[in-house]
Amino acid sequence: KAGVTQTPRYLIKTRGQQVTLSCSPISGHRSVSWYQQTPGQGLQFLFEYFSETQRNKGNFPGRFSGRQFSNSRSEMNVSTLELGDSALYLCASGGGPETFAGELFFGEGSRLTVL
Amino acid sequence: AQSVSQHNHHVILSEAASLELGCNYSYGGTVNLFWYVQYPGQHLQLLLKYFSGDPLVKGIKGFEAEFIKSKFSFNLRKPSVQWSDTAEYFCAVNAMNSGYSTLTFGKGTMLLVSP
Repeated sequence: KAGVTQTPRYLIKTRGQQVTLSCSPISGHRSVSWYQQTPGQGLQFLFEYFSETQRNKGNFPGRFSGRQFSNSRSEMNVSTLELGDSALYLCASGGGPETFAGELFFGEGSRLTVL
Repeated sequence: AQSVSQHNHHVILSEAASLELGCNYSYGGTVNLFWYVQYPGQHLQLLLKYFSGDPLVKGIKGFEAEFIKSKFSFNLRKPSVQWSDTAEYFCAVNAMNSGYSTLTFGKGTMLLVSP
């Protein structure tokens, strides 16, 4: 079955702009979570959605937001971009049959560069 | 809040050498434990997981990990590494008080196996 699909794979923005990233989870999975990966901070949890409801949020400023649609697809948005937002943004799919809490399937990521 | 500590940031081994990567977490309650791996140019994927039962768990490609509750540790081992094991390895925790898809990751260990 198809894996987690993230679009776009690469994008370049300038400071002050905003960006929207999209994620399609594995069919049948009800949970989508987002992580930011940088060389300095590693993998950091952004937020988690389950059946369209945000269930948990990491320690990021309000410029980072997200949502999940009825078909489980998710988007995350970053407004007023800063240089430090340059990172690989990973979407993870979970909550499927025969999976346990924390057992996630990751997409290839969206690499954001802020100039 | 929980945290995860990985003992080594970089490890260099020759093929056939034994591997042990240390991981400790801080959380007093019930946890699910994971090792994820990121091969060069590939997405993050699950290597092995512990939920309950036998504290010695086996994963893909000959990897195993042992959960020692008294030491809050979940060390990864492999008796004989191969060049294809070159990758970055992440220890992760899902705590019972966090979201279903919320993982706290360690900083990662980059393993380089020389042929």
